[in-house]
Parts: sequence; C-alpha cells; structure tokens
Amino acid sequence: AQKVTQAQTEISVVEKEDVTLDCVYETRDTTYYLFWYKQPPSGELVFLIRRNSFDEQNEISGRYSWNFQKSTSSFNFTITASQVVDSAVYFCALLIGGAGNMLTFGGGTRLMVKP
Amino acid sequence: GAGVSQSPRYKVTKRGQDVALRCDPISGHVSLYWYRQALGQGPEFLTYFNYEAQQDKSGLPNDRFSAERPEGSISTLTIQRTEQRDSAMYRCASSYRMGGGENTEAFFGQGTRLTVV
Repeated sequence: AQKVTQAQTEISVVEKEDVTLDCVYETRDTTYYLFWYKQPPSGELVFLIRRNSFDEQNEISGRYSWNFQKSTSSFNFTITASQVVDSAVYFCALLIGGAGNMLTFGGGTRLMVKP
Repeated sequence: GAGVSQSPRYKVTKRGQDVALRCDPISGHVSLYWYRQALGQGPEFLTYFNYEAQQDKSGLPNDRFSAERPEGSISTLTIQRTEQRDSAMYRCASSYRMGGGENTEAFFGQGTRLTVV
C-alpha cells in the first residue's frame, strides 16, 4: 500500500522568510511519480510539479524548489523569500506507475505567511 | 473550456435525497477522476475513467455512490439516499493522458461542496 505523510500540519512564517514543507512517502514500487499541489483560500487545487522516481535532480522554479531524495523517501518543497500570496494548504501526492491514475495524497500542510 | 468545470459549486441537501454532481473536463482530456476531500484532509480517490470506460471504482465507499461518463466527456457522480457522513468537497480532475509520464498531470476543478443536513 502507498502512503504519504506530511508531518507539519501548520506552519506560520513572516514574509521574506524561507520555509520548507516536508513530504515522506512509502511505496514498494520502483516506478512512481511525486506531485505537489497548492490549495489557496479560494479552494481550487493547483498543480505545481511532477517528478518521476528515476529523476532525482532537484528542481527550481522561481522562488520554489524541490528536493527529491530516494534514500530517505522524501520530496520536500522549499519556498524562498515567502510572500503573503503563498499562504495556502500544500499537498504532496504519490502515483504508482502502471496502476492507473489514483493519486495518494498526504494530509496537507497549511502555510500562513504573515506580513 | 479553459479548465475543469464542476457544478454546482455548493449543494445543500436533506438526508435521504439523491444528488448528482457534474464534471466537465478539459477538452481533449482522456482521463477523468473523482476525489472526495473531507475538511482538513487531503483528497481521497473515488473512481476514474479513461474515455467512457470506468477503470477503477475501488474508492467508492459503498453502493450508494456511482459514476458515469457515457460519451467520454462530461461525467456525473451520483449519491443516492445521502447521509450526513457524505458531506465533503467532491473534486473532479482530468488529464490529457493516462499513467504518470508526460502530459499526465491531473488538473482539478474547483470542487462541489456538498452538505447533507
């Protein structure tokens, strides 16, 4: 069975601070995909990134960066110089290759960025 | 349309009534998914379709829940004889292709908030 754990249920930072959201996953499959989604206060789920299990290169997109480490089964998300607009619930999710399209989500981390 | 569209956005129904939730996926997307999200939790998989074929319905909680996608586009999730525990956000998503590789990211609609009173 697959499982995604986001141990931080809520994080509060002051604007311009860097913040890292943790994600730990469990699977026995060797082919899998990891995702991050953002749920702003308006409620929609916004796709941020997908990584596959064969590509451990870290990725940077503007103020966002992702650190994928298979050795620790982690896929952490860092926001640099946080802004108030980053306030949202962030979900990490896992998809097993070849087993349909069922995403397994973590419980989410609520990030509050204060001015 | 430009994105996944769900209707209604909000639905309040009395216990015992049937409800139908509609999802209009992104044009051309092959795969369509339904998820349920309880307050303060992550979405949980219900079922998914490739074209008009329902591929997996293992996440449907019981036989009061059903889904269809008869023409491979719009989908309807139906809940019969609703109960208070069915109250949740119901999310639909679609992806251009199936699987986990390129162009398979799931794009979500804004959801339908169902409240059973």
